[in-house]
Amino acid sequence: GQSLEQPSEVTAVEGAIVQINCTYQTSGFYGLSWYQQHDGGAPTFLSYNALDGLEETGRFSSFLSRSDSYGYLLLQELQMKDSASYFCAVRQSYNTDKLIFGTGTRLQVFP
Amino acid sequence: NAGVMQNPRHLVRRRGQEARLRCSPMKGHSHVYWYRQLPEEGLKFMVYLQKENIIDESGMPKERFSAEFPKEGPSILRIQQVVRGDSAAYFCASSGQGRTNTEAFFGQGTRLTVV
Repeated sequence: GQSLEQPSEVTAVEGAIVQINCTYQTSGFYGLSWYQQHDGGAPTFLSYNALDGLEETGRFSSFLSRSDSYGYLLLQELQMKDSASYFCAVRQSYNTDKLIFGTGTRLQVFP
Repeated sequence: NAGVMQNPRHLVRRRGQEARLRCSPMKGHSHVYWYRQLPEEGLKFMVYLQKENIIDESGMPKERFSAEFPKEGPSILRIQQVVRGDSAAYFCASSGQGRTNTEAFFGQGTRLTVV
């Protein structure tokens, strides 16, 4: 089967740093994406890793280790508006944008 | 430059009725992906279509569900004889022709409630 495992919930305070982990087991792997979804909203793209290492985009960074089938999303200088669900998603091959999504992590940021 | 447009945003159907969900991809995009999201869960892939072709329907239930993407007009996801378990948010995403994206562009979704 195919699975992407994430913690179900994470809490933190404003200004803190939080890391959301994702371990995956899929029949193919081309890259790992991260999406943010606010309640009632659409998933919005945050970052993408095709190669091992760290990708930094402003306050958000994403890491991938293909040998460990593992990645994480790092959120720095947390703000209240970061309270949302975060999903990792695997893209299985180069010729399709079909995504296999993780179970999702609900992040609550407190003042 | 409008994004991915889905309508309706909310749809209520009685058990046994048909639900039709529409998705207009971003301008210039010819690939459409449909996903279903149950409450408190991640998105589950349903079907991938290009204009007039179904490329991958491995996530579609075998019965009552169908999808199309005609040469003209939006992509349609049709659910016949809806049941309570079909209540979910249905999202579509689009990507460009002959180009691989690292980012999928999602519509705002259609929230289907079966009563």
